[in-house]
Amino acid sequence: EAQVTQNPRYLITVTGKKLTVTCSQNMNHEYMSWYRQDPGLGLRQIYYSMNVEVTDKGDVPEGYKVSRKEKRNFPLILESPSPNQTSLYFCASSLNNRGNQPQHFGDGTRLSIL
Amino acid sequence: AQKVTQAQTEISVVEKEDVTLDCVYETRDTTYYLFWYKQPPSGELVFLIRRNSFDEQNEISGRYSWNFQKSTSSFNFTITASQVVDSAVYFCALAGVSGNTPLVFGKGTRLSVIA
Repeated sequence: EAQVTQNPRYLITVTGKKLTVTCSQNMNHEYMSWYRQDPGLGLRQIYYSMNVEVTDKGDVPEGYKVSRKEKRNFPLILESPSPNQTSLYFCASSLNNRGNQPQHFGDGTRLSIL
Repeated sequence: AQKVTQAQTEISVVEKEDVTLDCVYETRDTTYYLFWYKQPPSGELVFLIRRNSFDEQNEISGRYSWNFQKSTSSFNFTITASQVVDSAVYFCALAGVSGNTPLVFGKGTRLSVIA
């Protein structure tokens, strides 16, 4: 089954404790991205990757890191999480970045930073 | 810059009523794509439809229909005979065809269908 898998689905942690949210897709998609969803703000892009070893900042990259060492995986890293990073996070992938391909979303990761 | 506006923050309707969710977009691209996504209470994002800028035909899928009007930069979504299961947050989104082309999302419209 074609899917984007994020883990964990839920996480409560404390300020400053490094965490990683994993994302994996099984569709051989080139393009992957991370979004965060906040009430009243909709979804905003954090980082994206056009292919292996090619990543770049989205609209709200501060406080986040990503890597793309393999095509299927695109982890989101919070080196020193802070309460303002409490949010619902989505990983997405699509065949390419040419806009005409619908992005497939993971089920979301709800992070709470205390 | 690209922008999507969903002016309706929340809508409540009684079951079986028709409801239209508005979406207005801004872009300088001549080629672009419009999307609607549904986010039910369980939280996942479900793709509903994609429409390219050259295809202004309206589309119907069961109780769902979409009205794309380039002249007014609108891509409205109508649910006919709404059901409780339609209760969700609905997002309209826009994507270009070059560069990063992230999906630019509207802020969403929360639809509550009351039995």
